[in-house]
Amino acid sequence: DAGVTQSPTHLIKTRGQQVTLRCSPISGHKSVSWYQQVLGQGPQFIFQYYEKEERGRGNFPDRFSARQFPNYSSELNVNALLLGDSALYLCASSWGRRLTEAFFGQGTRLTVV
Amino acid sequence: QQQVKQSPQSLIVQKGGISIINCAYENTAFDYFPWYQQFPGKGPALLIAIRPDVSEKKEGRFTISFNKSAKQFSLHIMDSQPGDSATYFCAASYSGGGADGLTFGKGTHLIIQP
Repeated sequence: DAGVTQSPTHLIKTRGQQVTLRCSPISGHKSVSWYQQVLGQGPQFIFQYYEKEERGRGNFPDRFSARQFPNYSSELNVNALLLGDSALYLCASSWGRRLTEAFFGQGTRLTVV
Repeated sequence: QQQVKQSPQSLIVQKGGISIINCAYENTAFDYFPWYQQFPGKGPALLIAIRPDVSEKKEGRFTISFNKSAKQFSLHIMDSQPGDSATYFCAASYSGGGADGLTFGKGTHLIIQP
């Protein structure tokens, strides 16, 4: 079975641009969460989506938005990119709304120049 | 506010030894405590997890010890091997999901010397 897949794996953007990151959860999983991992730090929670609705949001500005599609895949959008947005963006999927047994993809490395 | 404090930041253990990583949490609403292992260029992989109704959980060479009154939990890696060299993160959450997601510690960079 395929695990959590994220695309693209690497991305370079310029300050002020917009970016869209994509995530496909494990088959059968209905919950997708997004995390930002800055180099040398633990992942920080951005969003959780379950059954296509936002169920939780971390302490991130409104420049960050996300959505979940009927097939449970998800997109994370970041507008007006800042240098500080450079990080590894991780997607995690789990079966239900509960955050137990959350499995991560290998992430998208975003570099803002 | 850092709700999960992890120590040490880095750790060097000889092959065959015991690696011990500690975490402390503040939010008493947390009821799910997983440990993740991350290799360079990869996403975190779930190793083992515990709920506060048990004091210890063992899976192979990995053991979580949990002290609810002290709000602390730790990961023990027995018979540590060079392949265990990675960054380890403790995390905590309210398992019902919602606003805060998984709250991670800052990580421990573990090196197992052959």
